[in-house]
Amino acid sequence: EDQVTQSPEALRLQEGESSSLNCSYTVSGLRGLFWYRQDPGKGPEFLFTLYSAGEEKEKERLKATLTKKESFLHITAPKPEDSATYLCAVQARLRGSQGNLIFGKGTKLSVKP
Amino acid sequence: GAVVSQHPSRVICKSGTSVKIECRSLDFQATTMFWYRQFPKQSLMLMATSNEGSKATYEQGVEKDKFLINHASLTLSTLTVTSAHPEDSSFYICSAREYRVRTDTQYFGPGTRLTVL
Repeated sequence: EDQVTQSPEALRLQEGESSSLNCSYTVSGLRGLFWYRQDPGKGPEFLFTLYSAGEEKEKERLKATLTKKESFLHITAPKPEDSATYLCAVQARLRGSQGNLIFGKGTKLSVKP
Repeated sequence: GAVVSQHPSRVICKSGTSVKIECRSLDFQATTMFWYRQFPKQSLMLMATSNEGSKATYEQGVEKDKFLINHASLTLSTLTVTSAHPEDSSFYICSAREYRVRTDTQYFGPGTRLTVL
């Protein structure tokens, strides 16, 4: 069964304190792994897509990496405005014709000044 | 990134009435759109997959007669909650699939907060 597990559930950081969020997955053929950011009361905002092991993508203070079993979202010198829930999702190759995403439960990040 | 809009952003209705939510892809064509439901402090739950010009595919446990989905054009999908009841109160979010040769990305709308009294 395709599954996505994110850890930790919640993470509290001081401003400037770098850390990483983990997304472990099991899927019958990975088509793509996605990272989204969601603020309270809003829809998820697209951050990255990773397609193959070894791939890395960066955007400002965020860097996403991918292996065959997991993905990390590294946050370097975070700021309070980085506080949000970060969602990881996978798209299975078998379901590629529809593009369905399987979501993890998310990591709620709080960055204090 | 691509832009997806939803309307209305918030709706309050009486029990027994029907509510229609619109989802539009503003700067790309989407043959596939998805409808999700999200309860407080929980992740997104896929309700149905909407394909332009064909019937929607509903996830197990989602009543197709209660949640009517229409995808009449490449930029518009609608979700109608029929005979709404308080237990239908939730945050409904749509997404539109932008499918290209090398990328396949879902962009999400801002969500619709439904409250049924």
